[in-house]
Amino acid sequence: SAVISQKPSRDICQRGTSLTIQCQVDSQVTMMFWYRQQPGQSLTLIATANQGSEATYESGFVIDKFPISRPNLTFSTLTVSNMSPEDSSIYLCSVEGQGNEKLFFGSGTQLSVL
Amino acid sequence: GENVEQHPSTLSVQEGDSAVIKCTYSDSASNYFPWYKQELGKRPQLIIDIRSNVGEKKDQRIAVTLNKTAKHFSLHITETQPEDSAVYFCAARDSGGGADGLTFGKGTHLIIQP
Repeated sequence: SAVISQKPSRDICQRGTSLTIQCQVDSQVTMMFWYRQQPGQSLTLIATANQGSEATYESGFVIDKFPISRPNLTFSTLTVSNMSPEDSSIYLCSVEGQGNEKLFFGSGTQLSVL
Repeated sequence: GENVEQHPSTLSVQEGDSAVIKCTYSDSASNYFPWYKQELGKRPQLIIDIRSNVGEKKDQRIAVTLNKTAKHFSLHITETQPEDSAVYFCAARDSGGGADGLTFGKGTHLIIQP
């Protein structure tokens, strides 16, 4: 499986600020996704990061709040904008394994908003 | 869209006994069902998966069964060990429309009692 690195691993941010999370994969992947895991909860898909075009957002998530970039097949960023304490979560990027539908997760970013 | 229900939310078993976690899904077009294990503070790890053209799949002490008619699938862990303690998530995906992300259940906290 691909090696998926996320930065930062954790951060503590002030209300109203923005944080950009980076996801780097060691091989080219077609499908890349961003998930949110609120404390003690399940994983919720935020959006599919499309290379060369706008991300596809799930219901309840909007581009203004969670802008996503995907400049190439190995890298993506997720920005959490104008943060509030309700944004405190783990954010995970994930990629589909080459040639199959298996989904693998990055190491995650633990975000706390004060 | 897809809806995945998972039960129980917490499961405590004696070491050496078996554990069974059950999930149901709503979208009959779903045809891929993975299970993830998430230890505290770590990323979700894919432990086993099954496609809808297969009724059962086994990998050492873990197995997954699928009943397409009833739209439910289960994870079975035999001879449980302390290292099996974790949160387990089931998931489902409808691949008919392309490579969307997975829909996850709410998770089962498995506790192995020594």
